Amino acid sequence: SQTIHQWPATLVQPVGSPLSLECTVEGTSNPNLYWYRQAAGRGLQLLFYSVGIGQISSEVPQNLSASRPQDRQFILSSKKLLLSDSGFYLCAWSVGNYGYTFGSGTRLTVV
Amino acid sequence: DQQVKQNSPSLSVQEGRISILNCDYTNSMFDYFLWYKKYPAEGPTFLISISSIKDKNEDGRFTVFLNKSAKHLSLHIVPSQPGDSAVYFCAASEEGNTPLVFGKGTRLSVIA
Repeated sequence: SQTIHQWPATLVQPVGSPLSLECTVEGTSNPNLYWYRQAAGRGLQLLFYSVGIGQISSEVPQNLSASRPQDRQFILSSKKLLLSDSGFYLCAWSVGNYGYTFGSGTRLTVV
Repeated sequence: DQQVKQNSPSLSVQEGRISILNCDYTNSMFDYFLWYKKYPAEGPTFLISISSIKDKNEDGRFTVFLNKSAKHLSLHIVPSQPGDSAVYFCAASEEGNTPLVFGKGTRLSVIA
């Protein structure tokens, strides 16, 4: 069966520090991978998505970046965090465009 | 520009009654619609979906209705239970490999 792992569950980081959030998927090949952010009052905002290794599409210009070094690994990074980067970050996968499965999320607080 | 809109941020319903959550969309290219349920500090989980070729899809206590001419869909939960209390997200997608677009969510509270 397919599973998605996302870590850490919570993170408190100072402004200006780097960020690395990791997401891995098991039990499927060549999934579409996504990073979403849920900020207060803004619903689920798509940040990045990837349809294959090394293929990243950015939806929102900001100081975050994403990478897909392996088929089932998706990493969200930042060189310098801003206060506005606080939020609940969700990784998801799908085969094709239907049936997204989300990870358990990372609560990021930038202080 | 919000393509998927959930205009009610919150809804409170008594246990046993019907909950109706609404969603409007602006993109006429959307052909597949989904509802997700989210508990605090967890990822959303898939609830029910509907293709644009249908106007109704039912799964147990959950029914989704689609009105293409009005670009409107709704989720009905009957009867509502306290465990249904969560945030519900409406999502839509175009044909092809484009990501889902989500609404801002509606927080449903079912009061015992």
